[in-house]
Amino acid sequence: DAGVIQSPRHEVTEMGQEVTLRCKPISGHNSLFWYRQTMMRGLELLIYFNNNVPIDDSGMPEDRFSAKMPNASFSTLKIQPSEPRDSAVYFCASSLAPPGGYTFGSGTRLTVV
Amino acid sequence: GDSVTQMEGPVTLSEEAFLTINCTYTATGYPSLFWYVQYPGEGLQLLLKATKADDKGSNKGFEATYRKETTSFHLEKGSVQVSDSAVYFCALRMDGSNYKLTFGKGTLLTVNP
Repeated sequence: DAGVIQSPRHEVTEMGQEVTLRCKPISGHNSLFWYRQTMMRGLELLIYFNNNVPIDDSGMPEDRFSAKMPNASFSTLKIQPSEPRDSAVYFCASSLAPPGGYTFGSGTRLTVV
Repeated sequence: GDSVTQMEGPVTLSEEAFLTINCTYTATGYPSLFWYVQYPGEGLQLLLKATKADDKGSNKGFEATYRKETTSFHLEKGSVQVSDSAVYFCALRMDGSNYKLTFGKGTLLTVNP
């Protein structure tokens, strides 16, 4: 298995532009998570899907952020409009029901200038 | 709410030194506990886990024991190597309908030759 695949690896965009981050989870995993990592705040859970349904989006910072999972093999995280404070590394992770742990992707480093 | 507290880094050791990274947790029930490792430029990888009190997780020479009485899950290694240089995250998960992981802020370990 190729693991959790995220794209792009790096994204540089101007303030106000729309940004879309993509994730392909491990085949057969039924849970998908989007995390944001910054030096100041560490790892923050943004949203959690189970069987393609959003279960907990309480970590989504504001309406500028949205996430979708149209099928079991694909998810997107969109920021519109982007702001410099959104600069961070965004990780996608997938898992099967417990007792397993998560498998993380390599992340997307987003820089908003 | 549930939370994880890790010792603040950075931790700098010489090769073959003994490593301890402290982790304590606060949870309303009995969580599963995890250690994840993040190498530079990569996503997090599961290092070890324990699902109930007194369990010992171990992998690659690292160990951690789930101590319910002290609500702790300290990470130890008897002899570190330069290749162990990374950021280490302690995490907990309350199993149920929501399988999200709650992470500590991470501890940067640097091992010098």
